[in-house]
Order: sequence, then structure tokens, then C-alpha cells
Amino acid sequence: SAVISQKPSRDICQRGTSLTIQCQVDSQVTMMFWYRQQPGQSLTLIATANQGSEATYESGFVIDKFPISRPNLTFSTLTVSNMSPEDSSIYLCSVERGPGQPQHFGDGTRLSIL
Amino acid sequence: ILNVEQSPQSLHVQEGDSTNFTCSFPSSNFYALHWYRWETAKSPEALFVMTLNGDEKKKGRISATLNTKEGYSYLYIKGSQPEDSATYLCAPQGVQGAQKLVFGQGTRLTINP
Repeated sequence: SAVISQKPSRDICQRGTSLTIQCQVDSQVTMMFWYRQQPGQSLTLIATANQGSEATYESGFVIDKFPISRPNLTFSTLTVSNMSPEDSSIYLCSVERGPGQPQHFGDGTRLSIL
Repeated sequence: ILNVEQSPQSLHVQEGDSTNFTCSFPSSNFYALHWYRWETAKSPEALFVMTLNGDEKKKGRISATLNTKEGYSYLYIKGSQPEDSATYLCAPQGVQGAQKLVFGQGTRLTINP
């Protein structure tokens, strides 16, 4: 299984600011994903981070709000922009090595917006 | 795959008892069914990936079955221990959605010593 380092582990931010979350994997992986879990909700896919091209966003999520970088096959960032209290969530990155394989998750970023 | 239901939402079980819970999903365009365990303050941990109708997988005291024709999977825990306390998530994976997972809301399991 992959070793995934996600930073920061938690943060408390002011309304209107932005935060960038980093995800570093110990080996090259093709598929990287970003998820969000709002309080009391299920784990929801934000986007698939594509190496060398724009991320693929799910319905309800847009690049302006959640810009994603994927400069290589071991690293990705998710930025939560212009934050509001509704963005208070756990954000997780995950990787998958191929179809039918389990996804491996980072430890998550617990984000609170005041 | 859009509609994933897990039941019950929460469950309290006495240590030593066995338990089970359900994941229901649309049976069309099915590719795989994932089960994860998510303990508080940790990352979700993969338990099983199941693809074939009638599949049964086992990992220690935990096992799972899959019925792709009727769209459900059961997760069983035998002889529950306090360390089994966690939220158990299922996520079907559809053919058209490639590797995308759609997670249910989970079953929150608490083992009472």
C-alpha cells in the first residue's frame, strides 16, 4: 500500500482566506483524488487530480473555488479559496494504483472556518 | 451510481457479540464494491474490494458478501472487540465512472466493553 503524507492535519482559518492542502505519495501513482466530508455527510469526491492537465471536477465543485495542482505523479495540492463556514470539513486525498484496487487515503485535513 | 444507502446509521454492540450491516446500491453498471473502516482521527482503511456476484471475502473476524444482481453487500463482524469501533463505509464503483467511488454515509459502530 502507498504511504501518503497530507499536510496540514488541521487548521482554523478566517472567513475569506484561502488554504492549500498538500498530498505527497511515496511512489508514483496514476490516480489521485480529493474528497470532502462535511459534518454529518458522506465522503464526497471533489475532483480527480490529473498529472499534466486540468483536474476533473465533480458536479457542484468548480476550479475557481477548489483549484488543484498535480505537477508530477507523487504530489498534488488542493486549495480551498475564499473560505466560508460552509467549507468547514475534513478534506482527504487518496490514490489508486489501478481498476479494482482499493484506494489509500491520507490522514485528512480537519478545517474549521470562523 | 448515485444512490448508496447504508443501514443502520449507527449501532451499539456488546463486546463479544457478532453484528452485521448492509450496503445497498443500484445494480446497473456495476464494476466493484469497496468497504472501508474509518476510525476517529485516522484515515479510512481499505477492507475489501469485491467484484463478482456471490463473492465472499474475509479478513480476520470481518467478512463481506456481495449480491450484484439485487444490489447489496453485507459486512459481518464476529466476536466484536473495542478496536472494531469505527465508521464502516461502502462505496460502489460504476463502469462508466471509471475509478470514481460513491460513498454511503456509513454505519457508525460502537463496541461497548
